[in-house]
Amino acid sequence: GDSVTQMEGPVTLSEEAFLTINCTYTATGYPSLFWYVQYPGEGLQLLLKATKADDKGSNKGFEATYRKETTSFHLEKGSVQVSDSAVYFCALISMNRDDKIIFGKGTRLHILP
Amino acid sequence: ETGVTQSPTHLIKTRGQQVTLRCSSQSGHNTVSWYQQALGQGPQFIFQYYREEENGRGNFPPRFSGLQFPNYSSELNVNALELDDSALYLCASRPKGQNSFFDEQFFGPGTRLTVL
Repeated sequence: GDSVTQMEGPVTLSEEAFLTINCTYTATGYPSLFWYVQYPGEGLQLLLKATKADDKGSNKGFEATYRKETTSFHLEKGSVQVSDSAVYFCALISMNRDDKIIFGKGTRLHILP
Repeated sequence: ETGVTQSPTHLIKTRGQQVTLRCSSQSGHNTVSWYQQALGQGPQFIFQYYREEENGRGNFPPRFSGLQFPNYSSELNVNALELDDSALYLCASRPKGQNSFFDEQFFGPGTRLTVL
């Protein structure tokens, strides 16, 4: 079945460091891909999305490019801030009749001042 | 602040009991989805309601059921609780005209259910 695999956390970085959180997927057809973020004590929020190959989603300085050849959707940010500390979830929706969203296990990010 | 609220915040039940969790969406949000998030895992889709009818379901048994009301509130009911039902339960809503998963969902903070 369809699935999403994320790098295990926690990931700990210093402020202004470069961030990459890896995400790979398995799906039939051509899924749409998402990154959600969960800040402490808050609900999940959509961070960015990409609906076809080579699309780049971006928001709040974060970017992710839909790579069909490597089935990946890695999240990147050039300079992280303490306020980016949160749990990040990669997710997909398959292009089949049951277009339900499938989440990865999440990656916890700690940014040190 | 998404405007989606859930109650209660925390809940402790014993195996075999029944539980009702509540969600209040923003006005005008007529699609609501429920998710189960076990510790250390991503959310898993339970079901979705649109205009007070279930219109999508994940791999959860019938003892997980729901209701949606005209006032944009909804409930998740779980019967015959099992230890593995311990999790954070999230609801998410979408505005009218946006009832696809491709549209942005607005999540509540969740209810933490512990089954002993």
